[in-house]
Amino acid sequence: DVRLLESGGALVQPGGSLRLSCAASGFTFNNYVMNWVRRAPGKGLEWVSTITGSGGTTYYTDSVRGRFTISRDNSKNTLYLQMNSLRAEDTAVYYCAKRPMSSRAYDVWGQGTMVTVSS
Amino acid sequence: DIVMTQTPLSLSVTPGQPASISCKSSQTLLDSNGETYLYWYLQKPGQSPQLLIHEVSKRFSGVPDRFGGSGSETDFTLTISRVEAEDVGVYYCMQVKQTPLTFGQGTRLEIK
Repeated sequence: DVRLLESGGALVQPGGSLRLSCAASGFTFNNYVMNWVRRAPGKGLEWVSTITGSGGTTYYTDSVRGRFTISRDNSKNTLYLQMNSLRAEDTAVYYCAKRPMSSRAYDVWGQGTMVTVSS
Repeated sequence: DIVMTQTPLSLSVTPGQPASISCKSSQTLLDSNGETYLYWYLQKPGQSPQLLIHEVSKRFSGVPDRFGGSGSETDFTLTISRVEAEDVGVYYCMQVKQTPLTFGQGTRLEIK
């Protein structure tokens, strides 16, 4: 059974840092592009970041570039999102999502982890 | 950036009736390789998003055949032939042709 399980969400003060994790199971993790998508309260889905299977190439939305870092440890089947210099507008549920080999769709999603940035 | 515009933003439908959602992109989503990178997702209340349609019109595994996708280049439509109570939630189109990847604003479907 293919599963993604996020963790690491918390309440953090503006300017603080947090690292999200996404534990993958049920598939050969290093073969797949992985992604982070967020949904702020009362808003729609927003793509955050993407990383290739090897980890060699990463992509970011403009609002997080330079503050967030996506990475993966293929030996641990885990995806990460290091979030620094957090702002109130980063408050959201963060989802990790897997992309299948044959498509650019996101076919499997985790249950999400809540990040709240507030003083 | 490619802007994705969905209409309507909300929809109230009687069970058994059809529904359709339009998604327009500010640039063509047709790639030079012939593929069109347009996707549809549904986020049901309290759940994670789920894939409905990939590459414009391909139904994802397990998605009921009452869901259909159509369109080309910049104009796309998600159609539900007969809405059921379990279809409530927010529907999003998404383009994956170029970064930043972008979603439409979302269309909230409720049952009358």
